Amino acid sequence: DIVLTQSPGTLSSSPGERATLSCRASQSVSGSYLAWYQHRPGQTPRLLIYAASSRATGIPDRFSGSGSGTEFTLTISRLEPEDFAVYYCQQYGSSPRTFGQGTKVEVK
Amino acid sequence: QVTLKESGPALVKPTQTLTLTCTFSGFSLNTRGMRVSWIRQPPGKALEWLARIDWNDDKFYSTSLKTRLTVSKGTSINQVVLTMTNMDPVDTATYYCARYAGSWDYFDYWGQGTPVTVSS
Repeated sequence: DIVLTQSPGTLSSSPGERATLSCRASQSVSGSYLAWYQHRPGQTPRLLIYAASSRATGIPDRFSGSGSGTEFTLTISRLEPEDFAVYYCQQYGSSPRTFGQGTKVEVK
Repeated sequence: QVTLKESGPALVKPTQTLTLTCTFSGFSLNTRGMRVSWIRQPPGKALEWLARIDWNDDKFYSTSLKTRLTVSKGTSINQVVLTMTNMDPVDTATYYCARYAGSWDYFDYWGQGTPVTVSS
Protein backbone atom coordinates (compact mmCIF):
# COMPACT_ATOMS: atom_id res chain seq x y z
CA ASP A 1 0.00 0.00 0.00
CA ILE A 2 1.17 3.55 -0.65
CA VAL A 3 1.58 5.43 2.61
CA LEU A 4 0.97 9.17 2.40
CA THR A 5 2.70 11.28 5.03
CA GLN A 6 1.49 14.83 5.44
CA SER A 7 3.53 17.58 7.03
CA PRO A 8 3.39 19.53 9.12
CA GLY A 9 0.82 17.95 11.37
CA THR A 10 -0.30 21.40 12.42
CA LEU A 11 0.43 24.70 10.71
CA SER A 12 -0.13 27.88 12.73
CA SER A 13 -0.64 30.85 10.46
CA SER A 14 -2.40 34.18 10.28
CA PRO A 15 -5.00 35.36 7.77
CA GLY A 16 -3.30 36.77 4.71
CA GLU A 17 -0.26 34.53 5.03
CA ARG A 18 0.81 31.88 2.57
CA ALA A 19 0.41 28.24 3.63
CA THR A 20 2.37 25.36 2.16
CA LEU A 21 1.26 21.81 2.93
CA SER A 22 3.24 18.73 1.97
CA CYS A 23 2.14 15.21 1.07
CA ARG A 24 4.89 12.66 0.63
CA ALA A 25 4.22 9.19 -0.80
CA SER A 26 6.10 6.02 0.10
CA GLN A 27 6.10 5.07 -3.61
CA SER A 28 5.63 7.03 -6.79
CA VAL A 29 2.01 7.99 -7.38
CA SER A 30 1.06 6.75 -10.81
CA GLY A 31 -0.12 9.43 -13.19
CA SER A 32 0.15 12.07 -10.44
CA TYR A 33 -3.27 10.87 -9.42
CA LEU A 34 -3.41 12.81 -6.19
CA ALA A 35 -6.30 14.74 -4.70
CA TRP A 36 -6.58 17.23 -1.86
CA TYR A 37 -9.60 17.77 0.40
CA GLN A 38 -10.52 20.41 2.94
CA HIS A 39 -12.50 19.49 6.03
CA ARG A 40 -13.94 22.22 8.20
CA PRO A 41 -15.50 21.26 11.56
CA GLY A 42 -19.16 20.41 11.20
CA GLN A 43 -19.02 20.34 7.43
CA THR A 44 -18.50 17.69 4.80
CA PRO A 45 -15.05 17.17 3.31
CA ARG A 46 -14.63 19.26 0.17
CA LEU A 47 -12.66 18.34 -2.93
CA LEU A 48 -10.09 21.03 -3.70
CA ILE A 49 -7.60 19.57 -6.15
CA TYR A 50 -7.43 16.47 -8.35
CA ALA A 51 -4.70 15.16 -10.64
CA ALA A 52 -2.21 16.95 -8.40
CA SER A 53 -2.84 20.40 -9.83
CA SER A 54 -6.37 20.72 -11.24
CA ARG A 55 -8.76 22.81 -9.18
CA ALA A 56 -12.19 21.34 -8.61
CA THR A 57 -15.27 23.26 -9.65
CA GLY A 58 -15.82 26.41 -7.62
CA ILE A 59 -12.49 26.31 -5.79
CA PRO A 60 -10.85 29.75 -5.49
CA ASP A 61 -7.58 30.26 -7.31
CA ARG A 62 -5.74 30.95 -4.07
CA PHE A 63 -5.61 27.15 -3.79
CA SER A 64 -3.02 25.48 -5.99
CA GLY A 65 -1.52 22.03 -6.15
CA SER A 66 1.77 20.86 -7.54
CA GLY A 67 4.12 17.93 -7.54
CA SER A 68 4.71 14.54 -9.04
CA GLY A 69 6.25 11.21 -8.18
CA THR A 70 6.44 11.09 -4.39
CA GLU A 71 6.30 14.77 -3.48
CA PHE A 72 3.14 16.88 -3.64
CA THR A 73 2.26 20.31 -2.31
CA LEU A 74 -0.92 22.22 -1.64
CA THR A 75 -0.41 25.97 -1.47
CA ILE A 76 -2.89 28.51 -0.19
CA SER A 77 -1.58 31.83 -1.43
CA ARG A 78 -3.34 34.07 1.10
CA LEU A 79 -5.23 32.48 3.95
CA GLU A 80 -8.82 33.56 4.37
CA PRO A 81 -10.68 33.01 7.67
CA GLU A 82 -12.64 30.13 6.13
CA ASP A 83 -9.43 28.31 5.12
CA PHE A 84 -8.58 27.29 8.69
CA ALA A 85 -9.40 23.61 8.53
CA VAL A 86 -7.87 20.17 8.15
CA TYR A 87 -6.48 19.19 4.75
CA TYR A 88 -6.06 15.63 3.47
CA CYS A 89 -4.32 14.20 0.45
CA GLN A 90 -5.42 11.02 -1.31
CA GLN A 91 -3.72 8.97 -4.00
CA TYR A 92 -5.78 7.12 -6.57
CA GLY A 93 -3.03 5.86 -8.82
CA SER A 94 -2.64 2.53 -7.08
CA SER A 95 -4.90 0.15 -5.20
CA PRO A 96 -5.84 0.40 -2.47
CA ARG A 97 -6.57 4.11 -2.63
CA THR A 98 -5.00 5.69 0.45
CA PHE A 99 -5.17 8.94 2.36
CA GLY A 100 -2.78 11.01 4.41
CA GLN A 101 -3.39 11.63 8.08
CA GLY A 102 -4.11 15.32 7.57
CA THR A 103 -2.62 18.74 8.23
CA LYS A 104 -4.51 21.09 10.49
CA VAL A 105 -4.20 24.76 9.56
CA GLU A 106 -4.95 26.80 12.66
CA VAL A 107 -5.00 30.47 13.54
CA LYS A 108 -1.75 31.62 15.09
CA GLN B 1 -27.56 19.60 -5.47
CA VAL B 2 -25.75 16.46 -4.39
CA THR B 3 -25.90 15.53 -0.73
CA LEU B 4 -25.08 12.40 1.24
CA LYS B 5 -25.86 11.65 4.85
CA GLU B 6 -24.82 8.70 6.98
CA SER B 7 -26.97 7.24 9.74
CA GLY B 8 -26.66 4.41 12.20
CA PRO B 9 -25.97 3.59 15.82
CA ALA B 10 -23.48 5.70 17.72
CA LEU B 11 -22.58 2.84 20.03
CA VAL B 12 -22.21 -0.88 19.37
CA LYS B 13 -20.90 -3.64 21.58
CA PRO B 14 -17.93 -5.83 20.70
CA THR B 15 -18.87 -8.80 18.46
CA GLN B 16 -22.05 -7.06 17.30
CA THR B 17 -22.82 -6.22 13.69
CA LEU B 18 -22.83 -2.58 12.62
CA THR B 19 -25.30 -1.44 9.99
CA LEU B 20 -24.91 2.02 8.48
CA THR B 21 -27.07 3.69 5.88
CA CYS B 22 -26.02 6.35 3.41
CA THR B 23 -28.97 8.36 2.13
CA PHE B 24 -28.19 10.53 -0.84
CA SER B 25 -29.89 12.96 -3.17
CA GLY B 26 -29.06 14.79 -6.38
CA PHE B 27 -27.99 11.71 -8.28
CA SER B 28 -29.08 8.15 -8.96
CA LEU B 29 -26.95 5.11 -8.27
CA ASN B 30 -28.76 3.49 -11.18
CA THR B 31 -27.12 5.94 -13.58
CA ARG B 32 -24.32 4.36 -15.55
CA GLY B 33 -20.94 5.17 -14.03
CA MET B 34 -22.18 6.17 -10.60
CA ARG B 35 -20.28 4.74 -7.63
CA VAL B 36 -20.41 5.25 -3.88
CA SER B 37 -17.85 4.28 -1.27
CA TRP B 38 -17.60 3.96 2.49
CA ILE B 39 -14.55 5.42 4.20
CA ARG B 40 -13.71 5.62 7.89
CA GLN B 41 -11.39 7.58 10.14
CA PRO B 42 -10.39 6.27 13.56
CA PRO B 43 -9.54 8.99 16.08
CA GLY B 44 -6.15 10.50 15.30
CA LYS B 45 -5.58 8.26 12.31
CA ALA B 46 -5.76 8.48 8.54
CA LEU B 47 -8.86 8.00 6.48
CA GLU B 48 -9.28 4.39 5.36
CA TRP B 49 -11.22 3.24 2.30
CA LEU B 50 -13.60 0.37 3.12
CA ALA B 51 -15.91 -0.56 0.28
CA ARG B 52 -17.50 0.52 -2.97
CA ILE B 53 -20.73 -0.22 -4.83
CA ASP B 54 -21.30 0.61 -8.47
CA TRP B 55 -24.35 1.47 -10.54
CA ASN B 56 -24.38 -2.08 -11.93
CA ASP B 57 -24.20 -3.59 -8.42
CA ASP B 58 -20.53 -4.49 -8.64
CA LYS B 59 -18.95 -4.41 -5.21
CA PHE B 60 -15.39 -4.02 -4.00
CA TYR B 61 -13.90 -4.31 -0.53
CA SER B 62 -10.81 -3.47 1.43
CA THR B 63 -8.58 -6.52 1.33
CA SER B 64 -7.99 -6.44 5.06
CA LEU B 65 -11.70 -6.14 5.95
CA LYS B 66 -13.50 -7.95 3.16
CA THR B 67 -14.51 -10.93 5.27
CA ARG B 68 -16.43 -8.59 7.58
CA LEU B 69 -17.97 -6.11 5.14
CA THR B 70 -21.04 -6.14 2.97
CA VAL B 71 -22.17 -3.19 0.89
CA SER B 72 -25.53 -3.12 -0.83
CA LYS B 73 -28.13 -0.86 -2.34
CA GLY B 74 -30.81 -0.06 0.18
CA THR B 75 -34.51 -0.68 0.04
CA SER B 76 -34.96 2.93 -1.03
CA ILE B 77 -33.57 3.86 -4.41
CA ASN B 78 -31.37 6.55 -2.88
CA GLN B 79 -29.67 4.51 -0.18
CA VAL B 80 -26.52 2.44 0.25
CA VAL B 81 -26.05 0.17 3.23
CA LEU B 82 -22.82 -1.02 4.85
CA THR B 83 -22.71 -3.86 7.32
CA MET B 84 -19.62 -4.75 9.31
CA THR B 85 -19.65 -7.89 11.41
CA ASN B 86 -17.80 -8.79 14.58
CA MET B 87 -17.15 -5.23 15.67
CA ASP B 88 -14.12 -4.53 17.84
CA PRO B 89 -12.99 -1.43 19.76
CA VAL B 90 -10.41 -0.80 17.02
CA ASP B 91 -13.33 -0.20 14.66
CA THR B 92 -14.23 2.93 16.61
CA ALA B 93 -14.21 5.65 13.97
CA THR B 94 -16.19 8.21 12.06
CA TYR B 95 -17.73 6.51 9.04
CA TYR B 96 -18.29 8.45 5.82
CA CYS B 97 -19.98 7.73 2.54
CA ALA B 98 -18.77 9.53 -0.54
CA ARG B 99 -19.54 9.71 -4.24
CA TYR B 100 -16.87 9.11 -6.84
CA ALA B 101 -16.12 11.83 -9.37
CA GLY B 102 -17.21 9.94 -12.44
CA SER B 103 -14.74 7.33 -13.59
CA TRP B 104 -11.95 8.72 -11.41
CA ASP B 105 -11.20 7.30 -7.99
CA TYR B 106 -11.37 10.50 -6.00
CA PHE B 107 -14.51 11.84 -4.32
CA ASP B 108 -16.47 14.89 -5.33
CA TYR B 109 -19.09 14.73 -2.58
CA TRP B 110 -18.97 13.40 0.96
CA GLY B 111 -21.37 13.00 3.81
CA GLN B 112 -20.73 14.61 7.19
CA GLY B 113 -19.80 11.29 8.71
CA THR B 114 -21.32 9.36 11.58
CA PRO B 115 -19.28 8.53 14.67
CA VAL B 116 -19.36 4.95 15.88
CA THR B 117 -17.93 3.81 19.20
CA VAL B 118 -17.37 0.14 19.93
CA SER B 119 -17.49 -0.50 23.65
CA SER B 120 -19.09 -2.85 26.10
